[in-house]
Amino acid sequence: SQQGEEDPQALSIQEGENATMNCSYKTSINNLQWYRQNSGRGLVHLILIRSNEREKHSGRLRVTLDTSKKSSSLLITASRAADTASYFCATEPYNNNDMRFGAGTRLTVKP
Amino acid sequence: DTEVTQTPKHLVMGMTNKKSLKCEQHMGHRAMYWYKQKAKKPPELMFVYSYEKLSINESVPSRFSPECPNSSLLNLHLHALQPEDSALYLCASSQVSVTGTSGRKISEQYFGPGTRLTVT
Repeated sequence: SQQGEEDPQALSIQEGENATMNCSYKTSINNLQWYRQNSGRGLVHLILIRSNEREKHSGRLRVTLDTSKKSSSLLITASRAADTASYFCATEPYNNNDMRFGAGTRLTVKP
Repeated sequence: DTEVTQTPKHLVMGMTNKKSLKCEQHMGHRAMYWYKQKAKKPPELMFVYSYEKLSINESVPSRFSPECPNSSLLNLHLHALQPEDSALYLCASSQVSVTGTSGRKISEQYFGPGTRLTVT
């Protein structure tokens, strides 16, 4: 069963704009991760944020985590056409050792 | 080497065939995973191996049979599949870190490119 739910389901922006994707989850977690998937290919790990962290940066990526609201956001700044992909959040439940993916956001960046 | 390889890239099989999907990693990871992904859907966890032992089986039908012959290899044996089993099958691996308080924790997963399976 899915743990995280993303919104929006699809997002279309112009190159240079910022893209924000949100993820909500239901149970307590050890960590939350964001992955990217180009069409029909494997997933690439982007960033991991632990349950005791509130914000994390990696290049043009900024991730926030609010455990009180059980939600996270992924911000991609100064987007590029190459950022076009599906983005998934994945949570590792506190009392479990597996990982559950959300439904994903399909991001399209128009040149 | 930070790569997870999967073979074959594409597989077409009939409902009476027996085939196997293979996955390999040389990163020293001791956790390996099989996921199934349908079009425009997120990956769904099927199996987890930790230290070469099956630790999670997400109620997957017995026509899917995983095998972990050693710490670098993971197989998925397929037999008598149905057309609805057509999907992208993803393999992943990760370190399994042990913490002092809450037991094992799993770090980021490295995914292979997947095998596109079509069952006719």
